[in-house]
Amino acid sequence: DVKVTQSSRYLVKRTGEKVFLECVQDMDHENMFWYRQDPGLGLRLIYFSYDVKMKEKGDIPEGYSVSREKKERFSLILESASTNQTSMYLCASARDRVTEAFFGQGTRLTVV
Amino acid sequence: RKEVEQDPGPFNVPEGATVAFNCTYSNSASQSFFWYRQDCRKEPKLLMSVYSSGNEDGRFTAQLNRASQYISLLIRDSKLSDSATYLCVVKYENNDMRFGAGTRLTVKP
Repeated sequence: DVKVTQSSRYLVKRTGEKVFLECVQDMDHENMFWYRQDPGLGLRLIYFSYDVKMKEKGDIPEGYSVSREKKERFSLILESASTNQTSMYLCASARDRVTEAFFGQGTRLTVV
Repeated sequence: RKEVEQDPGPFNVPEGATVAFNCTYSNSASQSFFWYRQDCRKEPKLLMSVYSSGNEDGRFTAQLNRASQYISLLIRDSKLSDSATYLCVVKYENNDMRFGAGTRLTVKP
């Protein structure tokens, strides 16, 4: 079974802190994604990566950056956390552009 | 305008009912299509892929209309356990992947 693991289920951070959300997949997938999910807004794409060191902006990249130094790991970085970044963050991976994606269990981030 | 649009519902149906969800997408550079299911406080999970010729998996039927840029999901003989949010997903040639906002279904006894 594909396993996508996010480093934390719940996280509480203070405004202005630098926050790292880690995601690891164990199936040698090419593509990895970061979404945030908010009530009424669905899943919104922040960034995705189709190869090591490659990244593309999604709909809402402002205030976020990403890092993919190794194929299995895709990190989301909040440079200076703000309260409007309180959300559920979901990581996903997919073998390629055609096949289905698998999700991690999500990280519920609260910024106070 | 969102790239992938769904009726958010909610759909409240009795057990045994047939219910249909539609989803439209705006970017014609689409590669593949899926329906996902998300239970409360859980991550989305694949329900089924959607093929051009249409496909069926038990009580679930998915269809794709590329000309009109919409996909659909039909659930027959609804069960209580079908209560969830259903998300349509479009993948693109550039490896991008976009979700609809989801349609909430509640099946009642």
